[in-house]
Amino acid sequence: GQNIDQPTEMTATEGAIVQINCTYQTSGFNGLFWYQQHAGEAPTFLSYNVLDGLEEKGRFSSFLSRSKGYSYLLLKELQMKDSASYLCAVKWVRNQGGKLIFGQGTELSVKP
Amino acid sequence: DTAVSQTPKYLVTQMGNDKSIKCEQNLGHDTMYWYKQDSKKFLKIMFSYNNKELIINETVPNRFSPKSPDKAHLNLHINSLELGDSAVYFCASSHYFRDRDQRYTFGSGTRLTVV
Repeated sequence: GQNIDQPTEMTATEGAIVQINCTYQTSGFNGLFWYQQHAGEAPTFLSYNVLDGLEEKGRFSSFLSRSKGYSYLLLKELQMKDSASYLCAVKWVRNQGGKLIFGQGTELSVKP
Repeated sequence: DTAVSQTPKYLVTQMGNDKSIKCEQNLGHDTMYWYKQDSKKFLKIMFSYNNKELIINETVPNRFSPKSPDKAHLNLHINSLELGDSAVYFCASSHYFRDRDQRYTFGSGTRLTVV
């Protein structure tokens, strides 16, 4: 199938670092996206990985290992405003029209 | 100068009614999507259009009918609404899937409540 697994909930402290993992089926993999969604709002794009390695963007970094079917989103210097749901989404080659399949999302709570 | 705009933002209606949600994008994208987000926050694709042509049609009741008059607009019409249709519906747009940068831009969502 096209399962995507990520933890349902995580809690971290302001100023700390948190890593949100995502695993997916490797066959036909063609790209992975991370989105952030605050409660009651639209998802917004954070990062895109299609090759192995780390992509860094300010406080946020995303890592991909295609052979392991594994990605993580790393959030540094956590701020209260980072409390949100983080969605991992994958594109597979055989997917009609290149649709993205989303994971269930990881609800991150940042505590003072 | 909103990139992807959806209307209405909230929709409360009775079972059996017919309703429409409209979506417009000004990003110059040629592909648009409808996603449904249920109470467990799972985002599931319903439809996708590329340059007015339907390219993705998931297993969705035929009470749902998308229409794309041009590549900047994608509307969703729902007939005979049922309680289970209550959800948040997101419109999104992107470049064509064969382009490398296929990041989606989402609209603000329409929270549909069927009573």
